[in-house]
Amino acid sequence: GNSVTQMEGPVTLSEEAFLTINCTYTATGYPSLFWYVQYPGEGLQLLLKATKADDKGSNKGFEATYRKETTSFHLEKGSVQVSDSAVYFCALTNDYKLSFGAGTTVTVRA
Amino acid sequence: DAGVIQSPRHEVTEMGQEVTLRCKPISGHNSLFWYRQTMMRGLELLIYFNNNVPIDDSGMPEDRFSAKMPNASFSTLKIQPSEPRDSAVYFCASSTRQESQPQHFGDGTRLSIL
Repeated sequence: GNSVTQMEGPVTLSEEAFLTINCTYTATGYPSLFWYVQYPGEGLQLLLKATKADDKGSNKGFEATYRKETTSFHLEKGSVQVSDSAVYFCALTNDYKLSFGAGTTVTVRA
Repeated sequence: DAGVIQSPRHEVTEMGQEVTLRCKPISGHNSLFWYRQTMMRGLELLIYFNNNVPIDDSGMPEDRFSAKMPNASFSTLKIQPSEPRDSAVYFCASSTRQESQPQHFGDGTRLSIL
């Protein structure tokens, strides 16, 4: 079956620091990969996606590259802001259902 | 454009009472999902509808939970009778039935069963 493993948090950073959240997956076939972000009291929002190998998804300064050879989709941002404090979920789908990682809580301090 | 709309945002009730959560998906989306989020178990898919038909309800915890989708613009998740362990945030999401398209989530219903 499908599964997603992402690095455990919480992660605490200072403003302008580099952020990386590791994500690896197990799936049959060729899944689409997503990063979702959840701000306090809100639902999940799509942050970025990639649908095939070597695709790079990007949005709001965040990037992730679909690496089929390492079955990974690590999230990176070069300079985080306080407003990036949230829970980040890696997810995949190849049968219309999303399989989520456990989520990584990121706190950015001013 | 309006996103996925859920109501109520918060619900507090006593155990044994019936609880009904409501969801209006994005117009044009033909897939609808109900999730439950707790600290212990994270995000769990409860049920998935496609074109108003339940396709996968394997995540529904027990017979106390039921979900319906009478038309393309409305779905309900009902718990009867409710128990304290049902306390969680319940999310509804919708999407087009294309694998590469993301699911769009509502803001959730925070349910507390006393």
